[in-house]
Amino acid sequence: EVQLVESGGGLIQPGGSLRLSCAASGFTVSSNYMTWVRQAPGKGLQWVSVIYRGGSTYYADSIKGRFTISRDNSRNTLYLQMNSLRAEDTAVYYCARGGRGDLWRGSFPYWGQGTLVTVSS
Amino acid sequence: SYVLTQPPSVSVAPGQTAIITCGGIKIGSKTVHWYQQKPGQAPVLVVCDDSDRPSGIPERFSGSNSGNTATLTISRVEAGDEADYFCQVWDNSSDQGVFGGGTKLTVL
Repeated sequence: EVQLVESGGGLIQPGGSLRLSCAASGFTVSSNYMTWVRQAPGKGLQWVSVIYRGGSTYYADSIKGRFTISRDNSRNTLYLQMNSLRAEDTAVYYCARGGRGDLWRGSFPYWGQGTLVTVSS
Repeated sequence: SYVLTQPPSVSVAPGQTAIITCGGIKIGSKTVHWYQQKPGQAPVLVVCDDSDRPSGIPERFSGSNSGNTATLTISRVEAGDEADYFCQVWDNSSDQGVFGGGTKLTVL
């Protein structure tokens, strides 16, 4: 069974750093397209970042240069390092896994439960 | 960056058909996915690759995509379908995901 469990969220002051983790089970992180999506309170979904199977990484313009996506194959875990945090980064952060393997066309059928990041002084 | 436009809300009576649109320039040339999200829960993929249904999703959920509009159709709407629905595409030109603003489906 595919499972994704996020952790690492919490209250952080503006300008601070936080690292989110997404522990995966039931599949291999490095063999899949993995992404982070966030949702500000009462708002819609916003795509944040992706790491491809081959290791290429891409980011939303709003967080480029501040956030870094990575994975630890030995721990089968996805990460999101967030630096220079701003109030507008406050959101629930979800990790998700792409579907359909080699036939992936951008969908994410598997999601974690999310972890809340609050940026406030 | 690519923009997807959804109506903020759609209302429908039980048993009727709900149609939720997702507009984007030449969206018909892209692959559209749809997610259902209920309060306090993670999104659930209900339609992928324009019109496919993931395992476990009722046949009442269907999708189409052509021209500048993609559509999620929910037939024989039930109270349990009340949720927010988001369309999504992958922009291959920028390697970025894009979500629509979401549509709140209210079952009257």
